Amino acid sequence: SQKIEQNSEALNIQEGKTATLTCNYTNYSPAYLQWYRQDPGRGPVFLLLIRENEKEKRKERLKVTFDTTLKQSLFHITASQPADSATYLCALAMDSNDQLIWGAGTKLIIKP
Amino acid sequence: DTGVSQNPRHKITKRGQNVTFRCDPISEHNRLYWYRQTLGQGPEFLTYFQNEAQLEKSRLLSDRFSAERPKGSFSTLEIQRTEQGDSAMYLCASSLDALNEKLFFGSGTQLSVL
Repeated sequence: SQKIEQNSEALNIQEGKTATLTCNYTNYSPAYLQWYRQDPGRGPVFLLLIRENEKEKRKERLKVTFDTTLKQSLFHITASQPADSATYLCALAMDSNDQLIWGAGTKLIIKP
Repeated sequence: DTGVSQNPRHKITKRGQNVTFRCDPISEHNRLYWYRQTLGQGPEFLTYFQNEAQLEKSRLLSDRFSAERPKGSFSTLEIQRTEQGDSAMYLCASSLDALNEKLFFGSGTQLSVL
C-alpha cells in the first residue's frame, strides 16, 4: 500500500532563509499531491496542489516541486518568517476517486 | 464565507458513554469529510458525503461510529460506547471542487475518553 514519509524531526531555520520540506512516497506516482499547514489545536489549511504532469507550482513565497522519478515532492518557503512556524502536512491521492493518504507532517520552526 | 464550524471544541466523556459532534460546512460546499487525528500523526479518513449521501466509509471505522448529513447541510458524527482509544481530534472538512481537492477544515473537536 502507498506510504508517505515526512521528516519526523523538527526543522529549524533562520529567519530570512529558505525552508525546504520533503515528502517521499512509495509505490506508484499519485494523481496529485497537496500541501497543508497546521497550527496547534487547529485544522489543516490548504496551501498548494500539484498534479502528476506538473513539475512545479508557485504561490507567493511558496513553491512545490514534484519529481515522479525520485518519488518525492519538495515544499519551499522563501524569505521565511517566524509566522511560518507550523507543522506542514503532505497528502496524496493515487487516483482522482481515491481518498487522501496523509503524511505525519514536519514541524517547521523559524527563528528570528 | 464563515468557514467550517465544529462543535463542541472539546469533549470529555467517560468510557462507555455516547458522544455526538456537529459540523457546519461552508454553505455552498457539497462535499463533506470526517477525519480523525492523533498527536504527531496526519489525519485519518473516516467517512465522506456528497450532499446527503454517505458515499464512502473507512474500513477501519467500527460499527460504533455513525455519521449523518440530513438535507445535505450540517453533519453529525456519533460514537457509541466510547473507548479510551477513541480519544483524538475529530476534524471535519468540506470542499467545492473535485473530490478531495482543496479541503477546508474546521478547528476540530478534541475528544478525551476517561
